[in-house]
Amino acid sequence: DAMVIQNPRYQVTQFGKPVTLSCSQTLNHNVMYWYQQKSSQAPKLLFHYYDKDFNNEADTPDNFQSRRPNTSFCFLDIRSPGLGDTAMYLCATSGWTGGYEQYFGPGTRLTVT
Amino acid sequence: ELKVEQNPLFLSMQEGKNYTIYCNYSTTSDRLYWYRQDPGKSLESLFVLLSNGAVKQEGRLMASLDTKARLSTLHITAAVHDLSATYFCAVDGSYSQGGSEKLVFGKGMKLTVNP
Repeated sequence: DAMVIQNPRYQVTQFGKPVTLSCSQTLNHNVMYWYQQKSSQAPKLLFHYYDKDFNNEADTPDNFQSRRPNTSFCFLDIRSPGLGDTAMYLCATSGWTGGYEQYFGPGTRLTVT
Repeated sequence: ELKVEQNPLFLSMQEGKNYTIYCNYSTTSDRLYWYRQDPGKSLESLFVLLSNGAVKQEGRLMASLDTKARLSTLHITAAVHDLSATYFCAVDGSYSQGGSEKLVFGKGMKLTVNP
């Protein structure tokens, strides 16, 4: 089945230690998104890729970076995680084959200690 | 700036009862989504509403969209415990690049259905 996959599902990292979260998709969608969702809050868009074009939200901290080496993969890099970055990170994809609806992956729960 | 408001934010109801929850948004949009989220899980798509007057039903849930009033409703019929979850509505704020969406989410409504 076509899907959005996120790895790892759970990640614990230390304050200030860089961490990378991975997202892959088999839907062949051209748009990929990263959201941050803190406990009891709504998802918040960090950035998205439209094909290879990177689009950063104005209030996304510089600490958060992203890479998309090819259509299928997208990475979220947190250069120096702080305690406030503890959250669920959701990857989503969209494309014309899905009517532009966003398809969400299972998420990575990141804990910064 | 697009704002999305959900009402109520918390709801405790008994099994078998009916209830309607609301999602208002501030600027013109013709795409609205409802998601369900269980604790510790990702978002599960419930409904995609793409035009004024759209109505969709799945099991005990029915969603509708009035783009003129900028309002969507999610109606729960004869609630059961399994419906307990957080429900988000999200509205497409749209980017200039066709086919990419900026989803703006409401704060979510935490539903508890008591036996």
